[in-house]
Amino acid sequence: SQQGEEDPQALSIQEGENATMNCSYKTSINNLQWYRQNSGRGLVHLILIRSNEREKHSGRLRVTLDTSKKSSSLLITASRAADTASYFCATDEYSGGGADGLTFGKGTHLIIQP
Amino acid sequence: DAGVIQSPRHEVTEMGQEVTLRCKPISGHNSLFWYRQTMMRGLELLIYFNNNVPIDDSGMPEDRFSAKMPNASFSTLKIQPSEPRDSAVYFCASSPRTGGYTFGSGTRLTVV
Repeated sequence: SQQGEEDPQALSIQEGENATMNCSYKTSINNLQWYRQNSGRGLVHLILIRSNEREKHSGRLRVTLDTSKKSSSLLITASRAADTASYFCATDEYSGGGADGLTFGKGTHLIIQP
Repeated sequence: DAGVIQSPRHEVTEMGQEVTLRCKPISGHNSLFWYRQTMMRGLELLIYFNNNVPIDDSGMPEDRFSAKMPNASFSTLKIQPSEPRDSAVYFCASSPRTGGYTFGSGTRLTVV
């Protein structure tokens, strides 16, 4: 079942603006991950935030996690045309005994207008 | 490191035919996952293996779907007989004991 639900489903902004995508989930998690998928391509891991972390940065990416609200946000600053892609959040209930697989949301399709 | 390798990249087959998708995980990774991606349902976990043993196949849609992992470096997902509604992109991913996932580039299956 789809646990993560991204919001919005689609987002179109001008190059240089910031893009914010949100994700909500339903169960307890070990970590939450964000992936990017370019059209017709595979999934690329962007960033992972653990359940005991509240914010994480990687280059132009900033991820927040609020476990009390079961929500996360991905911020892409100073967007570029190459950032055009679909972005998925995925929750991981990995318990240490072996990976259990990720549960993905349906994604946000981000379009950066040049 | 060549990453997770899936083959074929594209497969077009007629309804009723058997389809076999292949995956080579990253060497040393002990978990392997098969996902299906469709517009309607997004990314769904079909089945996963830990140490070559199937752990959870509750995501496999029907008995027409089967998966095997005969050794640590190879897995197959088979659909027999295939139907048009099986058309999707099928991803394989692998994970080491320490966690983290690496996805293959996927197999785009079209059943006509």
